[in-house]
Order: sequence, then C-alpha cells, then structure tokens
Amino acid sequence: QKEVEQNSGPLSVPEGAIASLNCTYSDRVSQSFFWYRQYSGKSPELIMSIYSNGDKEDGRFTAQLNKASQYVSLLIRDSQPSDSATYLCAVTANTGTASKLTFGTGTRLQVTL
Amino acid sequence: EAQVTQNPRYLITVTGKKLTVTCSQNMNHEYMSWYRQDPGLGLRQIYYSMNVEVTDKGDVPEGYKVSRKEKRNFPLILESPSPNQTSLYFCASSVLAGVQTQYFGPGTRLLVL
Repeated sequence: QKEVEQNSGPLSVPEGAIASLNCTYSDRVSQSFFWYRQYSGKSPELIMSIYSNGDKEDGRFTAQLNKASQYVSLLIRDSQPSDSATYLCAVTANTGTASKLTFGTGTRLQVTL
Repeated sequence: EAQVTQNPRYLITVTGKKLTVTCSQNMNHEYMSWYRQDPGLGLRQIYYSMNVEVTDKGDVPEGYKVSRKEKRNFPLILESPSPNQTSLYFCASSVLAGVQTQYFGPGTRLLVL
C-alpha cells in the first residue's frame, strides 16, 4: 500500500465549478498535511497546509482533514483555467531527528472553458 | 530574491560518465533535500541534509551521493549514471524539516543514454 494515495485523474471540471481533490494516507502518526500545485514542466509550490481536523480556508481554496479516516482533501471553488495543474498531496511524520515529507503521485486537474 | 537554484537545467549524458548537479539556496535554510520525479511514481526523496556535514538517505539513495560542506550548497553526484536515473530532479530547502514550506528549485531534466 502506498503511503500517500491520490487518484491520478485527469479530473475535468468546467470553469466556475468546484473541484474536489482527495488524498488518503497510511501512517497514523502523520502530523502535517500539505497541498502543492505543480504546473507542467515547473517545480511544486505550496498552496495549503493543514495540521488539525476540520476545514481551513484560504481564498478559493479549502483544505479538509479527517485524521480518524486518514483523509485530506482540497476544494477549489470557482475553478479557473489557470488552476489547471497537477496537485500533490504531501504528508509529514517525525522520524527520529528529521521530519520526512512524503508525496502522493498527484492528481491532474483540467478546468475547461 | 529568495530562491533555490539548480544547474544545469538540462543534461544529456552517457552511461558511466560522472556528473554533478549543483543546488544553492540563499535563504539560510538548515534543511535541504533532493527529489526525483518520474511519471506514475511522483516525487521521491533521494537524500536530505539537516545542516552542514549532516546528510542522510531518503527513499531512493542508490546510485547517488551528496555532500553538505556549506550551508547554502547541496550538490547531487552521480558517480556512474545509468539509464534508470533518467528523470526530473528537484532540490528543495526549508527552515524546519517537513513542517515549514519547502522551497523547490526549478528542476534539472537528466537523460542518460
């Protein structure tokens, strides 16, 4: 079982709709959760972080965390063509002296006109 | 401007010819890391460093070496590259491993013939 699992997509949503991206993780001691966005041919950039159960909103983005279900999601409201990218879920757990960031394989989002 | 730089950005080489990919950050970050990204496998950590002279293996360290002689630099060395090391490589840095934002370099696309 992969440590961090995402549906590879592509997830296609029309402009203005809500895009819902999901991620599950296997390590129950995971502590911190992140969503990175990666445009084709570019490096990942952090867009959201969440550390406790519940919702966290930042502009059009909402991250949701449910530690009991080992599930984290990202909602993008009013999706725009510029949101078309691959979204990487990342999870950390403290391992001795270092925190390790483990990435999922990413979900490709396509926002259509 | 705060940034992580990598050189070269693109490299074509032949099997067995030693190469070094440089990584430098100007943010005085303690933590630096190398990842490789392959289709369907996502971002996988190769090596990381918590500070000068402190390095450790990530998930896929075989065939790679690193050094951290200065805080700002973290070169990735392929002593004898093989075709299975053809990949997109990213260097990243952060203030505090895992919990804080990891800033990624622009990537190095390597082709080993």
